[in-house]
Amino acid sequence: NAGVTQTPKFRILKIGQSMTLQCAQDMNHNYMYWYRQDPGMGLKLIYYSVGAGITDKGEVPNGYNVSRSTTEDFPLRLELAAPSQTSVYFCASSYRASGDGPQHFGDGTRLSIL
Amino acid sequence: GIQVEQSPPDLILQEGANSTLRCNFSDSVNNLQWFHQNPWGQLINLFYIPSGTKQNGRLSATTVATERYSLLYISSSQTTDSGVYFCAVLGPGANNLFFGTGTRLTVIP
Repeated sequence: NAGVTQTPKFRILKIGQSMTLQCAQDMNHNYMYWYRQDPGMGLKLIYYSVGAGITDKGEVPNGYNVSRSTTEDFPLRLELAAPSQTSVYFCASSYRASGDGPQHFGDGTRLSIL
Repeated sequence: GIQVEQSPPDLILQEGANSTLRCNFSDSVNNLQWFHQNPWGQLINLFYIPSGTKQNGRLSATTVATERYSLLYISSSQTTDSGVYFCAVLGPGANNLFFGTGTRLTVIP
């Protein structure tokens, strides 16, 4: 059972570069989420999606973009990477609204901006 | 958003000891989850427990939603229990989990 798969696991970027973090789930979940975790902190929501073609901002969306063309995939795009975006990024999914079952998390992508 | 406070922030235990971790939250919730983040950074789902009590092996959790707190019990702790334990909650009408800052548990042999 793959669950939620994130790629890459690690990446180093230079300031101003761009990249896409990939997230895929094979549980036919409608809801998908991107969180970031800064050192010593809990996770904060960047963007979420309630289904294909529908996305919305979370707590900390600045500097990021998302798209949801299929139920399975929810990529996160960084344009013009900045040192403040150095963090660990987690993708998650859930079957229905978050209040109706657990969220399942991927293993994370550790991103450093130098 | 909902405020989530976890205590204690750090805990050191001798292997075999028991412990209780607490999570207080500032508003009513539809969803509460406990996670274990292992030393490799992976988030492991422990419990989905918006109310009531659940047990899974040496771990159990209780949420008293009316009093806005949840407890995670770890019995007969093992070194593999080390890591950070997070509580995360979601309020009515919301879409994202709000995380506490975690309890860092170290179990020494």
